[in-house]
Amino acid sequence: AQSVAQPEDQVNVAEGNPLTVKCTYSVSGNPYLFWYVQYPNRGLQFLLKYITGDNLVKGSYGFEAEFNKSQTSFHLKKPSALVSDSALYFCAVRDGQRSGGYQKVTFGTGTKLQVIP
Amino acid sequence: DVKVTQSSRYLVKRTGEKVFLECVQDMDHENMFWYRQDPGLGLRLIYFSYDVKMKEKGDIPEGYSVSREKKERFSLILESASTNQTSMYLCASSLAGANTDTQYFGPGTRLTVL
Repeated sequence: AQSVAQPEDQVNVAEGNPLTVKCTYSVSGNPYLFWYVQYPNRGLQFLLKYITGDNLVKGSYGFEAEFNKSQTSFHLKKPSALVSDSALYFCAVRDGQRSGGYQKVTFGTGTKLQVIP
Repeated sequence: DVKVTQSSRYLVKRTGEKVFLECVQDMDHENMFWYRQDPGLGLRLIYFSYDVKMKEKGDIPEGYSVSREKKERFSLILESASTNQTSMYLCASSLAGANTDTQYFGPGTRLTVL
């Protein structure tokens, strides 16, 4: 079975400071990893994904994520937080080793990011 | 631009009522999904469909059914609504095939069952 853990329910960071939102995963094959963001009263929006290649993945709105296979982590980062980054962030994983048919994507429980002016 | 729309943003129903939630996508995507989102539980997959008239159960299908008569439309049905189905319901769609897992979400329907 595959799973995702987001150990922090909420992360507070001052505007202009770097931010990190943590994610660890468990999957039997090669992981396909995703980050989505949900702004208040909105659906989820795709931010970035890792399938293969460079461990540092760049995405929308200046976000990036670092894949670490040995630590089974995929932390979301941004060098300088904006108040407008305040939102709910979801990490997700699926098993890239399996093929044929739809392979389920498992979402984490979400981390609320609060950027303080 | 990619677009997934859901029929209602807010819905209030009574226990025992039959509830229909509609989702439409304009991207010609093969896959469509229904999730429910609850605080502390994240997103849980209810059902998904990979083609017209095709469906598969997700993690929590009990108390729900779905219908996909046209490629662009995926309906979630609560046959007899109960208070524990009060939740945010999110519809999503994606292309089929390898490396096409990016899902596009609708704005959500917040359902309250009284």
